[in-house]
Amino acid sequence: GAGVSQSPSNKVTEKGKDVELRCDPISGHTALYWYRQSLGQGLEFLIYFQGNSAPDKSGLPSDRFSAERTGGSVSTLTIQRTQQEDSAVYLCASSFSGGTNEQFFGPGTRLTVL
Amino acid sequence: QKEVEQNSGPLSVPEGAIASLNCTYSDRGSQSFFWYRQYSGKSPELIMSIYSNGDKEDGRFTAQLNKASQYVSLLIRDSQPSDSATYLCAVQVPGGYQKVTFGIGTKLQVIP
Repeated sequence: GAGVSQSPSNKVTEKGKDVELRCDPISGHTALYWYRQSLGQGLEFLIYFQGNSAPDKSGLPSDRFSAERTGGSVSTLTIQRTQQEDSAVYLCASSFSGGTNEQFFGPGTRLTVL
Repeated sequence: QKEVEQNSGPLSVPEGAIASLNCTYSDRGSQSFFWYRQYSGKSPELIMSIYSNGDKEDGRFTAQLNKASQYVSLLIRDSQPSDSATYLCAVQVPGGYQKVTFGIGTKLQVIP
């Protein structure tokens, strides 16, 4: 079946603009994660959604970052007033919570803030 | 102390040798452990998961878990140049949220 999809694959924006990144998880997966990976660095956890529970937002670096998940499926990560340090690859992953919790990653969105 | 620790490497091994990748974790209550492979410019892909003490083998890959020592490892037998990648250790931390914490990853270079 289809894997995790993300759009856009690349996004170039100017400092101060808002951006929206989209993630479409694997059908039936109840858990959805957003991570950020800067060049040459490890995965930085941002936010986690599990079913209808309140999301775990503990990894969001500032109040410029927000995310929502509509209908328990598609998720959008929004970055307001982008800064150059926001430049990174944003990865989304989903898993079937309650099972093995193995996460499957999308291809990522490469964000460049000029 | 970091929740999941890995040596960033690079770890260089000759083609055909066994590559041994190591990971330690801090939360003794952790239950699920994963190894991901990430090629440069690509997203991580799951290669192994392990949940109980001992060894788990899948082809050329063997994951080893020792909960008493809070240690998990990945062995790659007959290493190939195509195995050259960064290997991420991930640990599911206990608690209401089933959050998975990733290590920084070990870069493996297999020399032909």
